[in-house]
Amino acid sequence: AQSVTQLDSQVPVFEEAPVELRCNYSSSVSVYLFWYVQYPNQGLQLLLKYLSGSTLVKGINGFEAEFNKSQTSFHLRKPSVHISDTAEYFCAVTRMNTGFQKLVFGTGTRLLVSP
Amino acid sequence: EAGVAQSPRYKIIEKRQSVAFWCNPISGHATLYWYQQILGQGPKLLIQFQNNGVVDDSQLPKDRFSAERLKGVDSTLKIQPAKLEDSAVYLCASSAGLAGAYTGELFFGEGSRLTVL
Repeated sequence: AQSVTQLDSQVPVFEEAPVELRCNYSSSVSVYLFWYVQYPNQGLQLLLKYLSGSTLVKGINGFEAEFNKSQTSFHLRKPSVHISDTAEYFCAVTRMNTGFQKLVFGTGTRLLVSP
Repeated sequence: EAGVAQSPRYKIIEKRQSVAFWCNPISGHATLYWYQQILGQGPKLLIQFQNNGVVDDSQLPKDRFSAERLKGVDSTLKIQPAKLEDSAVYLCASSAGLAGAYTGELFFGEGSRLTVL
């Protein structure tokens, strides 16, 4: 079975500073990886995904993530955050090429951007 | 394009009462999911439908939870009787058939927040 660990439950950062949200996964088979964002009182929205190819993937709102197979990580980064980036960020994993898939989510990291 | 619609947005009930949540997926999306999101935790899949057939319900507490997707479009999730630990946000999501299911790209509704007293 797959699992996801997001070690940081909350990350405070000042506006225009860089940020990294950490995600580590566990799986005995190849996986697809995702980051979803949840703004207050809203549903989850796909931020970016890694399926294959380049290990550096770019998403919406200036976010990017790097897939590191040897370290089983998929950390999310943004070089300069805005107040509007304040939200909950979830890393998710699913097995590759298994037909109907089940996304397994981490516990989330709350990003708090202050002026 | 209209998104995933859910209702009600909020519901407060006493324990042992019943409750039902409704979801209408994005038009044309064959795959529908119900997730449970308890405060401080990530979403957990309860049940996944492909058209009107169940693909995965391994984490659905079948003694109290039930879900159906008649005609392969909208879906209802029911809890009867509710327990205190059922307090959570129930998220409905849909994906564009096999392609969406393969890539894990889900489109989520805003959720239904349940409080059990």
